[in-house]
Amino acid sequence: KAGVTQTPRYLIKTRGQQVTLSCSPISGHRSVSWYQQTPGQGLQFLFEYFSETQRNKGNFPGRFSGRQFSNSRSEMNVSTLELGDSALYLCASSLGASWGETQYFGPGTRLLVL
Amino acid sequence: GDSVTQMEGPVTLSEEAFLTINCTYTATGYPSLFWYVQYPGEGLQLLLKATKADDKGSNKGFEATYRKETTSFHLEKGSVQVSDSAVYFCALSEDSGAGSYQLTFGKGTKLSVIP
Repeated sequence: KAGVTQTPRYLIKTRGQQVTLSCSPISGHRSVSWYQQTPGQGLQFLFEYFSETQRNKGNFPGRFSGRQFSNSRSEMNVSTLELGDSALYLCASSLGASWGETQYFGPGTRLLVL
Repeated sequence: GDSVTQMEGPVTLSEEAFLTINCTYTATGYPSLFWYVQYPGEGLQLLLKATKADDKGSNKGFEATYRKETTSFHLEKGSVQVSDSAVYFCALSEDSGAGSYQLTFGKGTKLSVIP
């Protein structure tokens, strides 16, 4: 079974631009979660989508948004980029049915904002 | 809210040494507990998990026991190898409302094993 894939793997943007990151979950998984990883703040939850609906959102400004498509693929968008948005963005997928189930992570998209 | 505290390291050990990484948590309900590992330049991989009190998760020689009375989930390995060098994250998951199950992570512990 193919794992979670994320595109692109690396991205360089300048302040004020916007960016869209893509995540394809494991086949059959309906839940997709996004996390931001930085050296200072560690791993922080951004949001979770299940069956095209956002079920939960972390404490991030409205510049961070996402969506999920009917095939469970998900995208996240960051508008008006700031230097502090430089991070590794990780996507994770799961069945979405229980807090005991495993979330499987993709390799991440490394975003650098100049 | 939920939180996870783990020793931050870095931890440097000689090959075949015993490893312990401490992890304690605070949760409002009855969480599931996880250890994830991240190798350089990669995403997170599940190492082991436990979903109820006194459960022991194990994988690749690593073990951790869910201790509800001490709210802990310490990671141990009897004999580490150079290939175990990575960053280890302790995490918990519980219902955040509306059926959503987000992971809350500790800060991570960087382990370096020298030959």
